[in-house]
Amino acid sequence: DGGITQSPKYLFRKEGQNVTLSCEQNLNHDAMYWYRQDPGQGLRLIYYSQIVNDFQKGDIAEGYSVSREKKESFPLTVTSAQKNPTAFYLCASSPYGDYEQYFGPGTRLTVT
Amino acid sequence: ELKVEQNPLFLSMQEGKNYTIYCNYSTTSDRLYWYRQDPGKSLESLFVLLSNGAVKQEGRLMASLDTKARLSTLHITAAVHDLSATYFCAVDVFSVYSGGGADGLTFGKGTHLIIQP
Repeated sequence: DGGITQSPKYLFRKEGQNVTLSCEQNLNHDAMYWYRQDPGQGLRLIYYSQIVNDFQKGDIAEGYSVSREKKESFPLTVTSAQKNPTAFYLCASSPYGDYEQYFGPGTRLTVT
Repeated sequence: ELKVEQNPLFLSMQEGKNYTIYCNYSTTSDRLYWYRQDPGKSLESLFVLLSNGAVKQEGRLMASLDTKARLSTLHITAAVHDLSATYFCAVDVFSVYSGGGADGLTFGKGTHLIIQP
C-alpha cells in the first residue's frame, strides 16, 4: 500500500527533552511538509522540503529542526527551545509539479 | 503575508437544510483546497480548485472559486448527519524557488459543522 506513515501516533515527553517525529512516504513524492495544529485552529506550516538535502522554514520554524537525507523520509525534531510543543503534528507530501498535498495520520505530542 | 479567513467558524444546522461556508484570502492565488477533518483524525482532501470559475461537486458538497474576488465557497445541499466535521480551506502560492513546487499551504481556522437530526 502506498501512503504516508507517521510514528508514533501518541508521544509523551518531559519538558526540556528533544523529541523526533517520524514521517515516511512511499509515494515517490518530491515535496514534503510539516504542519502543526493546535486545538480549534487551522494548520500552520513549520518546514518544507522540495528536494533531498534541501529544506525551507515555514511560518513557525522556531524551536524545530528537520533533515531530508532521503526522498522518502522527513523527520521533525521538536527541541527544548520550542515554548509550547504540545500539539497535533501532521506531515504531508506532494509530487513535483502537482499541487495537492496528501496528509499522514498525524502524531499527537504532549509535553509536560 | 497571506491570510485566509473562513466564516462562519461554527455552524449548527438541521438535516435537510442548505448552507454555504465562505473562504476569503488576501493575495493572488489560483489554487484553493478544501479539506475535511473528523475529530482526532488527519485531513481528507475534498476539492482542489485550480482556476477562476472552477466548480466541483461531490455528493452533497459543491465548491467554487472566484479568484478575482479572492473567494471560495463550499455549499452543502440537503445536509445529512454524516457531513458533521470540521472543514478547512487552504491556499498556496506558486513557488519560483524550485520551478514548480508549492511552498506550503496557508489554512483558514476551519468551520466546525454540526448537523442535527
